Amino acid sequence: DTEVTQTPKHLVMGMTNKKSLKCEQHMGHRAMYWYKQKAKKPPELMFVYSYEKLSINESVPSRFSPECPNSSLLNLHLHALQPEDSALYLCASSPDHRNTEAFFGQGTRLTVV
Amino acid sequence: AQRVTQPEKLLSVFKGAPVELKCNYSYSGSPELFWYVQYSRQRLQLLLRHISRESIKGFTADLNKGETSFHLKKPFAQEEDSAMYYCALGSLMDTGRRALTFGSGTRLQVQP
Repeated sequence: DTEVTQTPKHLVMGMTNKKSLKCEQHMGHRAMYWYKQKAKKPPELMFVYSYEKLSINESVPSRFSPECPNSSLLNLHLHALQPEDSALYLCASSPDHRNTEAFFGQGTRLTVV
Repeated sequence: AQRVTQPEKLLSVFKGAPVELKCNYSYSGSPELFWYVQYSRQRLQLLLRHISRESIKGFTADLNKGETSFHLKKPFAQEEDSAMYYCALGSLMDTGRRALTFGSGTRLQVQP
């Protein structure tokens, strides 16, 4: 299995909702990432997990809360989002934090209303 | 700080013409350079990595440390090459971990 799987593919949520994005990989990778991609823009790094520990948080607002329950799963918990948070959220994994060759999921297209 | 520059937002060529997508980087350490491609409605896929010096789908890219460039080239473009291409730099962040920084992307349109 050489894929990174993200669910759901699409999500519409209100500004008072709490939702979670999920990401799964079974390639034995020990580094996992969340990126945010706005329309017609490149992916921007949000979080990096290395061996299930958060190692990079690129000044992301606290309304985004990552979680890495085990080496195969990565979650992004969302609460009290703003309409400007609407974007494609990409999960990626790489063999470890020294190897940045990343495999990307299909993404979750999030719309905040 | 690390930076990746792709000067062209759009590159339009005719089928069979040569293609060169430009990428320049700024990084004081030892860089890892990649090209990623995003076809319409598909996931971001790794196309090339500088360390392997391979050719994928007819594309090649050479790392030029003197010019800090990693341009993507193909001698004869095909219509199926139409996509968004991102140059990415794997670098050491302030936290001591490595991650990818992406350029702004170049949309390649290959016309029949």
